[in-house]
Amino acid sequence: KAGVTQTPRYLIKTRGQQVTLSCSPISGHRSVSWYQQTPGQGLQFLFEYFSETQRNKGNFPGRFSGRQFSNSRSEMNVSTLELGDSALYLCASSLGSGDTEAFFGQGTRLTVV
Amino acid sequence: QKEVEQDPGPLSVPEGAIVSLNCTYSNSAFQYFMWYRQYSRKGPELLMYTYSSGNKEDGRFTAQVDKSSKYISLFIRDSQPSDSATYLCAMRWWGGAQKLVFGQGTRLTINP
Repeated sequence: KAGVTQTPRYLIKTRGQQVTLSCSPISGHRSVSWYQQTPGQGLQFLFEYFSETQRNKGNFPGRFSGRQFSNSRSEMNVSTLELGDSALYLCASSLGSGDTEAFFGQGTRLTVV
Repeated sequence: QKEVEQDPGPLSVPEGAIVSLNCTYSNSAFQYFMWYRQYSRKGPELLMYTYSSGNKEDGRFTAQVDKSSKYISLFIRDSQPSDSATYLCAMRWWGGAQKLVFGQGTRLTINP
């Protein structure tokens, strides 16, 4: 059974640009959550999507947005990139929104220069 | 004050030692508790989850939850060099969305 797939694995962008990250959950999983991981702040929740609807959102500015498609794949977009957006972005997949077990992908390492 | 506090370490122990990793939390609404292991340049891997006070064992790993003290622990018996990683505690509220609140992570090194 394939795990959570995130693409791309590495990305370098310039300040002011925008970026789109992709996450394919485990087959059959309908919930996708996104997290930002930095050395200073650790892992922080960005948002969760379930059945194409955003269920919850963390304390991040509106430059961070996401969406989920009918096949449960999800994308995360960051506009007007700032140096502080450099981080590991992780996607977690769950069977259902209330399911306890969340399985993470390998992450996308974003560097903003 | 952070909702979940975890000593970042680093923690270094000899092979075969018993390792104890701990987290405290302030929000009594947390009902589900998880431990993840994260190797360098990898995503977190779920090790243990529990939702009740007491102990849960899985092989060399034991998760302990004390809701009255708002304290959770992960014990690793017969530690191996392959256990060297960052260990993250995580928790969430009953029901609702999959919003996990993580501790800072403890970096653990097992020395051969």
